[in-house]
Amino acid sequence: GAVVSQHPSWVICKSGTSVKIECRSLDFQATTMFWYRQFPKQSLMLMATSNEGSKATYEQGVEKDKFLINHASLTLSTLTVTSAHPEDSSFYICSATGRGPNSPLHFGNGTRLTVT
Amino acid sequence: AQSVTQPDIHITVSEGASLELRCNYSYGATPYLFWYVQSPGQGLQLLLKYFSGDTLVQGIKGFEAEFKRSQSSFNLRKPSVHWSDAAEYFCAVGPMIYNQGGKLIFGQGTELSVKP
Repeated sequence: GAVVSQHPSWVICKSGTSVKIECRSLDFQATTMFWYRQFPKQSLMLMATSNEGSKATYEQGVEKDKFLINHASLTLSTLTVTSAHPEDSSFYICSATGRGPNSPLHFGNGTRLTVT
Repeated sequence: AQSVTQPDIHITVSEGASLELRCNYSYGATPYLFWYVQSPGQGLQLLLKYFSGDTLVQGIKGFEAEFKRSQSSFNLRKPSVHWSDAAEYFCAVGPMIYNQGGKLIFGQGTELSVKP
């Protein structure tokens, strides 16, 4: 079964509103989580890396004030798209890994965000 | 620069035919290589990975991949394709230890269609 749960799987919101996406590790402690964005027919682009209890590290070109990432616990990271606009419509995927050096990387099933 | 190139954007094969998806990489350190599969609207599932040792690695669903250092390639193969293999396939390169600042770099993806 899934070891990383992402919720919601899809969401539609109006322009100007904020949307929160959750990423939960179900049976392991996720010390590090990654957030990706995927446009249709394109690859995954890493947005940010978050370590539990620390501020997220954002990739170049990603607005940290627009894409708020919180990794407050070892099982939950959230991505909040603030003041969403239609160009933020995309598929967002999280992944998570645990503490050990051989800890595998698990992906969530993604969230389809549509901003109208 | 670190990069992954999947030269084929879209491939169509007949069911039962063999398959090879190409992947070339550029990576400064020892590459750890991965192949993921993504069904529409879903997250990523790991097919196989190469860290070291035997350069021919076996994965799930009958897939295998061969690491060729001299060609900087990690091509994915399957002897006989099934209709359920139709999906998007991503090659990725990265560090083994994700939770120490490493991150995966994904190729552009290859969409596989299977003809009956």
